[in-house]
Amino acid sequence: KAGVTQTPRYLIKTRGQQVTLSCSPISGHRSVSWYQQTPGQGLQFLFEYFSETQRNKGNFPGRFSGRQFSNSRSEMNVSTLELGDSALYLCASSGTGLANTGELFFGEGSRLTVL
Amino acid sequence: GENVEQHPSTLSVQEGDSAVIKCTYSDSASNYFPWYKQELGKRPQLIIDIRSNVGEKKDQRIAVTLNKTAKHFSLHITETQPEDSAVYFCAAPLIQGAQKLVFGQGTRLTINP
Repeated sequence: KAGVTQTPRYLIKTRGQQVTLSCSPISGHRSVSWYQQTPGQGLQFLFEYFSETQRNKGNFPGRFSGRQFSNSRSEMNVSTLELGDSALYLCASSGTGLANTGELFFGEGSRLTVL
Repeated sequence: GENVEQHPSTLSVQEGDSAVIKCTYSDSASNYFPWYKQELGKRPQLIIDIRSNVGEKKDQRIAVTLNKTAKHFSLHITETQPEDSAVYFCAAPLIQGAQKLVFGQGTRLTINP
């Protein structure tokens, strides 16, 4: 079974631009969550989607948004990029119902650098 | 919502010695406490977890203990090996019953040969 796939793996943007990151969960997983990882702040929860609906949201400004498609693939978007948005963005999927063990399965991440 | 504090932020031990990482949480209703390991340049992966109905769980050289009264849980690694070098994160559910996790700040563990 293929793992969680994130694209692109690396990208460089300049301040003020916007970026879209993509995540394909493990087949059969319907819950997708996003985390921002920085050296100083660790892993911070951005939001979680289930069946195309945002279920939970972390404490991030409205510039951070996301969505989920009917095939459970998810995208997150960051608009008006700031230098502080430079980070590794991790996507994680998890099973639901009887398949929910609590474990999050992470992708390799998308490393965003804002210049 | 949940708040998780983790310490130490860095830990260096001699190969073969034991390592202990501690976390505290704020929401007494939390009932699931996983530990993730992230090797350099790789994704975080679950190594062990514990639910609130038990006080300790072991898996070979790794163990986790939970003290619900004090609201803290700890990761114990015995007979450390070079491949144990990584960043370790503890976590607790974002809100009661939720799958989504709040992570501690992470502990960078270095095993010295």
